[in-house]
Amino acid sequence: DTGVSQNPRHKITKRGQNVTFRCDPISEHNRLYWYRQTLGQGPEFLTYFQNEAQLEKSRLLSDRFSAERPKGSFSTLEIQRTEQGDSAMYLCASSPTRGGDMNTEAFFGQGTRLTVV
Amino acid sequence: SQQGEEDPQALSIQEGENATMNCSYKTSINNLQWYRQNSGRGLVHLILIRSNEREKHSGRLRVTLDTSKKSSSLLITASRAADTASYFCATVFTNAGKSTFGDGTTLTVKP
Repeated sequence: DTGVSQNPRHKITKRGQNVTFRCDPISEHNRLYWYRQTLGQGPEFLTYFQNEAQLEKSRLLSDRFSAERPKGSFSTLEIQRTEQGDSAMYLCASSPTRGGDMNTEAFFGQGTRLTVV
Repeated sequence: SQQGEEDPQALSIQEGENATMNCSYKTSINNLQWYRQNSGRGLVHLILIRSNEREKHSGRLRVTLDTSKKSSSLLITASRAADTASYFCATVFTNAGKSTFGDGTTLTVKP
């Protein structure tokens, strides 16, 4: 396993179009997170999955955003009717729970850079 | 806001010198983690320190945690040009493991 994989790495889209990003976490990591990062800022939490269940969504995640993790493995993040303010790096991370220990590190992918023109 | 805040925002040092970055946060935590990010890339996990720990080491990295002051520090000893990156602290408040990040310290190590 080579780590968390995100596709595509870059996406340029016109305002109003829909986009979908994919994240493949590290195998057997049951927790998966999506973050958004803009230039000069730290990542902002968007949503979190424990296996296939979406357990938390940030208020940052408007109705235009939806995320799924249908089989508890890969995840997709869809943005509908994109706006220029959606331009950012979208980061995915996964982490294991070891013997019920929830204090484990998160492994990040390289991100998908979205530019809305 | 519950996010961690790093200090300083930017730090420039010569190769071989030590670099110290600080992080402050506002509420009780489960753990605190430090990450490195090279320009335009993903984040690389450096160290996790639990709320009941006071200090951890990993190679040239030393992290301290003072829960009474709600602060942490990251020390990089004998810095190298390859350490040039942004460094973020992330605080974890719940068992969900969701991290809340600060805006980072940009470290430049001059050869």
